[in-house]
Parts: sequence; C-alpha cells; structure tokens
Amino acid sequence: LAKTTQPISMDSYEGQEVNITCSHNNIATNDYITWYQQFPSQGPRFIIQGYKTKVTNEVASLFIPADRKSSTLSLPRVSLSDTAVYYCLVGQTDSWGKLQFGAGTQVVVTP
Amino acid sequence: GAVVSQHPSRVICKSGTSVKIECRSLDFQATTMFWYRQFPKQSLMLMATSNEGSKATYEQGVEKDKFLINHASLTLSTLTVTSAHPEDSSFYICSARGDTIYYGYTFGSGTRLTVV
Repeated sequence: LAKTTQPISMDSYEGQEVNITCSHNNIATNDYITWYQQFPSQGPRFIIQGYKTKVTNEVASLFIPADRKSSTLSLPRVSLSDTAVYYCLVGQTDSWGKLQFGAGTQVVVTP
Repeated sequence: GAVVSQHPSRVICKSGTSVKIECRSLDFQATTMFWYRQFPKQSLMLMATSNEGSKATYEQGVEKDKFLINHASLTLSTLTVTSAHPEDSSFYICSARGDTIYYGYTFGSGTRLTVV
C-alpha cells in the first residue's frame, strides 16, 4: 500500500468548508484513494473513494489531480458533529490487501 | 449496506484472565477479517489478518499465542486476549471484507478493553 502524508490537525468553525490534502507520491496505477472518518471510541466509517478527477457524495467531495500524487477531501459547511479524525488510505480494492492506517488528521470544529 | 457487529463494546477484566471479542458480519460473508488495536490519541495498528478456515496471519511484533484469532465461519471471527495484563488495555477494532467486489472495508464499533 502506498504511504500517505496528511496534516496532523486542522481547526475550523461551523459552516466553513474544510479541505484536507493527502500526499501519496508512490500511488500505483491500480490504487484507489479512500477516506475514512473516526469518532472517539468508534470504528472508522467509510466516507468516500475515488480513482481520478472528482467524486462527490452526500457527505463529501474528493478531488484528485491528474498525476494522482495527492488528493483533497472537502467537507462542505462543517458542523460540530464533523469533529473527528480523518484517514486517507491508498490501495487496491480488488485485492485482499491489508489496510494500514497512517496518523490521520484531527479536525476540530468549533462554534 | 454491509454491517459488522462487534461485541462486547467494553469489558473490564482482571489481570491474568482471558477475554474474547466477537466480530460478526451481519449481512454478508466475510472471507477475510482484520483486527486492529488503537491506543489513546494514536492511529489504528493492524494486529492480524483472519481468513476463514485457515490460520491467522499476524503482523510483526504481535504475539500470536497471546492474541488468539479464530475465523471458523464466514460471518464470525473472534479475538481472545489470553492472560491479559494492564498493558493490553486498548481499543480493539475488527474490519471485514466480503467475497464480492466492495469499494471499502467495513469496521466494527470497537471494544474497549480495560485490564485491572
């Protein structure tokens, strides 16, 4: 699995957009980019996954440039309940590979 | 969607005793399950990969005789912490993949183990 680098923490106010960028310089051709969210004392929750360009769902958007060496998770209009740790993982979804988590980004949303 | 149930959510045990944690895939068959451990303010650390009907594969540094994993069916994997000690106190999380193409891993809600 490709190694990823994310900011350790980010602070935001309610209603703002939060963008978390993840670097993955060694991403392989078949690798997908997946983001998970984890609240304290809970298991991680799948947020979004993409391969290239832009992916959007009801929770977030994922922007992936053409070289795919980075990706940006965008959380629109965050609320207090978006305070969590966000993990970026890169790997193949059609293999039985292990998921290795990096440090993640602690997002704190304040009123 | 795929649901993974983990039980118990929290357990307190005495030092020297054993504790079993169950991980069940509720609406899909999980040929592969993963067990993680997470200490406070840290990321998830993969402990082992559990394959149905075969022995688990442990990550380097994880004692296989201490953390017994059994994956006897396609919907159930168990992690038994044997002879638990206070340093084993942690948050244990399981994760599962099915036998069909699925675009993400599903995680259990975790088990908070406290050894006193």
